[in-house]
Amino acid sequence: DTAVSQTPKYLVTQMGNDKSIKCEQNLGHDTMYWYKQDSKKFLKIMFSYNNKELIINETVPNRFSPKSPDKAHLNLHINSLELGDSAVYFCASSQDEETPTDTQYFGPGTRLTVL
Amino acid sequence: DQQVKQNSPSLSVQEGRISILNCDYTNSMFDYFLWYKKYPAEGPTFLISISSIKDKNEDGRFTVFLNKSAKHLSLHIVPSQPGDSAVYFCAASARSQGNLIFGKGTKLSVKP
Repeated sequence: DTAVSQTPKYLVTQMGNDKSIKCEQNLGHDTMYWYKQDSKKFLKIMFSYNNKELIINETVPNRFSPKSPDKAHLNLHINSLELGDSAVYFCASSQDEETPTDTQYFGPGTRLTVL
Repeated sequence: DQQVKQNSPSLSVQEGRISILNCDYTNSMFDYFLWYKKYPAEGPTFLISISSIKDKNEDGRFTVFLNKSAKHLSLHIVPSQPGDSAVYFCAASARSQGNLIFGKGTKLSVKP
């Protein structure tokens, strides 16, 4: 069974479009995250959600919005896509965000290409 | 500003030998360090971690060393196996902040 899954795996779209990436975890974890890995290979956190509350927002553009319908899902919506949004987006989850020692489990990533 | 630096983008090692991957950090508030391993087209997977109260943690073939005064940690893999070929990310966090800060990764190639 896949612990953290993301769909789609690949997403190619035009500038200006709105798109969503879905993430689901079956680990029963309390906290979920979205990371962006850009062309320079840096993995940077974008958001984390704990019990449906946004607890970290690392100054990403407000075109990006995380939406959590329930504890097992954290979807990423992106409006008005720009060329610079092209990257690999990883979803992750952990048991308890307030305990930094908790291991984060990552999904396989979604490669977004904006043309 | 890179708070976690992995200055070697790649490393090639012969099977059976030791692999040493290095990581430096600048934030003295970091008190927990992790190594993640990533295969192509997959997400990073947790490998090993170390708290700042320790200077060594061992798990099978993997050992992480922490030198707080030098703000340096390293991952030793011995003996290296071809299946260890992957990108290794160093990550750090501060208990007061909670975020994981990742390095750029080092691509390890273990040749048979």
